[in-house]
Amino acid sequence: GGIITQTPKFLIGQEGQKLTLKCQQNFNHDTMYWYRQDSGKGLRLIYYSITENDLQKGDLSEGYDASREKKSSFSLTVTSAQKNEMAVFLCASSILGSNERLFFGHGTKLSVL
Amino acid sequence: SQWGEENLQALSIQEGEDVTMNCSYKTYTTVVQWYRQKSGKGPAQLILIRSNEREKRSGRLRATLDTSSQSSSLSITGTLATDTAVYFCATDRGSALGRLHFGAGTQLIVIP
Repeated sequence: GGIITQTPKFLIGQEGQKLTLKCQQNFNHDTMYWYRQDSGKGLRLIYYSITENDLQKGDLSEGYDASREKKSSFSLTVTSAQKNEMAVFLCASSILGSNERLFFGHGTKLSVL
Repeated sequence: SQWGEENLQALSIQEGEDVTMNCSYKTYTTVVQWYRQKSGKGPAQLILIRSNEREKRSGRLRATLDTSSQSSSLSITGTLATDTAVYFCATDRGSALGRLHFGAGTQLIVIP
């Protein structure tokens, strides 16, 4: 078995601040994902990466940057936090692509003051 | 029924009852995946059903897929209070690489 670890669990930021969320997986999976979950809504794909140093934009990439410097890690940067923004960011990984099972971390809850 | 930008739906039932949740999708998919998310946790996959399958079972769970109507369902028999969670369906819109699209989800509350 493996695990996906997201840090931090809670992140409080100020408007306009650049914030970085980190994700590590020990499954040795090729593909990693960042999703955003707003209260009462489904998951929306921000970025994904099919291999080390690869980045692919999802449906919600504006306002975010991502980095996949190692196979096991995938980080997400909120380039300028929006006032009163509140969401959960979920990291996931899979062996190949989206027609296989995704394994998720527990999420990072972001609040912007 | 759930998809896309719709808001979360809620369903409340008594423990022991059976329940069926529906999902409709707009674009061809090679698979439909069903996930469950408990409070404070990330989603966990329950069942994956491929486009050439009509039904898949796993314990108390049964998923169906009707590609002609582009719809899928997840049934739970003999629900338990521990089945309380949000249930999502997800499709790949025909692309096997990278993009899994989630519906808005169904909040299921099972009352003991």
